Amino acid sequence: QVQLVESGGGVVQPGRSLRISCAAAGFTFSRYAMHWVRQAPGEGLEWVAASSADGTKKYYADSVKGRFSISKDSLRDTLHLQMNSLRADDTALYYCVREQLGETFDYWGQGTQVTVSS
Amino acid sequence: DIQMTQSPSTLSASVGDRVTITCRASQTISNYLAWYQQKPGKAPKFLIYKASTLESGVPSRFSGSGSGTDFTLTISSLQPDDFATYYCQQYYTYPLAFGGGTKVEIK
Repeated sequence: QVQLVESGGGVVQPGRSLRISCAAAGFTFSRYAMHWVRQAPGEGLEWVAASSADGTKKYYADSVKGRFSISKDSLRDTLHLQMNSLRADDTALYYCVREQLGETFDYWGQGTQVTVSS
Repeated sequence: DIQMTQSPSTLSASVGDRVTITCRASQTISNYLAWYQQKPGKAPKFLIYKASTLESGVPSRFSGSGSGTDFTLTISSLQPDDFATYYCQQYYTYPLAFGGGTKVEIK
């Protein structure tokens, strides 16, 4: 069955960097576009970034453009999100999600918590 | 960028009630609208795509309608398992966007 397992979250100071990852299993990773969606504590869902199936096309929310970078490693079936210049408002649970049927999300990981605090 | 607005933000209802949640887009998105259900401490669950097509395994008491800018999610007879927060999402264009959510509470 499809599994998405995020890792790499933690507490980081403002202005610092962090890379989170998502290990995929149970499907042909190279054939699917993948996304990151985040949820701040007690808040709603916010789409963050997307990678096309082959990793050549990338899209970002305005709030993270220029600071975050998504990458897809189809040799290791792993999705990454490099987060630089982190701010307090980046504090959230970050979900790795699989795209299908257009840019809709049929499978979600359980999330990795990122907390930006001094 | 397209903004998605859901109403109400909270809804109190009883088991067996018919429930309707509204989602409005700031510009036309054709029928590129999806719905998700999220329970506390859990990842969202995919319910509906193309505004009205149920994902496999989703109970038939859920239905979606609308096109252009105005959409609805209806639960025909609310069940105990349906108390949750519901989100709409546009996928007409990037940046993708979710509505603010509607929490369905027990009356």
